[in-house]
Amino acid sequence: EPEVTQTPSHQVTQMGQEVILRCVPISNHLYFYWYRQILGQKVEFLVSFYNNEISEKSEIFDDQFSVERPDGSNFTLKIRSTKLEDSAMYFCASSSTGTGEETQYFGPGTRLLVL
Amino acid sequence: LAKTTQPISMDSYEGQEVNITCSHNNIATNDYITWYQQFPSQGPRFIIQGYKTKVTNEVASLFIPADRKSSTLSLPRVSLSDTAVYYCLVGDTGRRALTFGSGTRLQVQP
Repeated sequence: EPEVTQTPSHQVTQMGQEVILRCVPISNHLYFYWYRQILGQKVEFLVSFYNNEISEKSEIFDDQFSVERPDGSNFTLKIRSTKLEDSAMYFCASSSTGTGEETQYFGPGTRLLVL
Repeated sequence: LAKTTQPISMDSYEGQEVNITCSHNNIATNDYITWYQQFPSQGPRFIIQGYKTKVTNEVASLFIPADRKSSTLSLPRVSLSDTAVYYCLVGDTGRRALTFGSGTRLQVQP
């Protein structure tokens, strides 16, 4: 069964450093997402991406965040200058149509720890 | 945005059927109801989705009454590996972002 993959599984960084989280969505999917989950809290939507542009973003997704699809397979989330409160699990997801009834498939996540 | 309410936690024993009910009183006409499962330190995993009446797949059943103001996820004969958090989501027409609540933490004991 096709699956979303993410790298790295764990990332430790110093406050103020840039991090790039990588995702390989399911190959025939067209919509890509990033979510995060702070330890013990809800899964929160960050951004959705379609046709090489952001289609929707939450208020969490401020100027410190950016997304990119640098090639035909990867989808990345960059945090320019990490803060302590960016420590969380970051999940990438993809779907084929992006409509409300379409299933989003989630990756295993990247655990980011900012020191 | 349709708000959902579900129990914070449930306990069960192996082999029992578990029913988790979710309330969504202000569900919109075009909204679908979707359930996800999440194990610790893993991404949410789609379980089942429905619009009305009953949907069944190899993992679970989803019961939706005619007024669609609630739904019940039914897990037949649970095992220890079904211990997880279960989220009820109601689609917001036109939005692709999934809105997760706090979910129901199911603990299955031997």
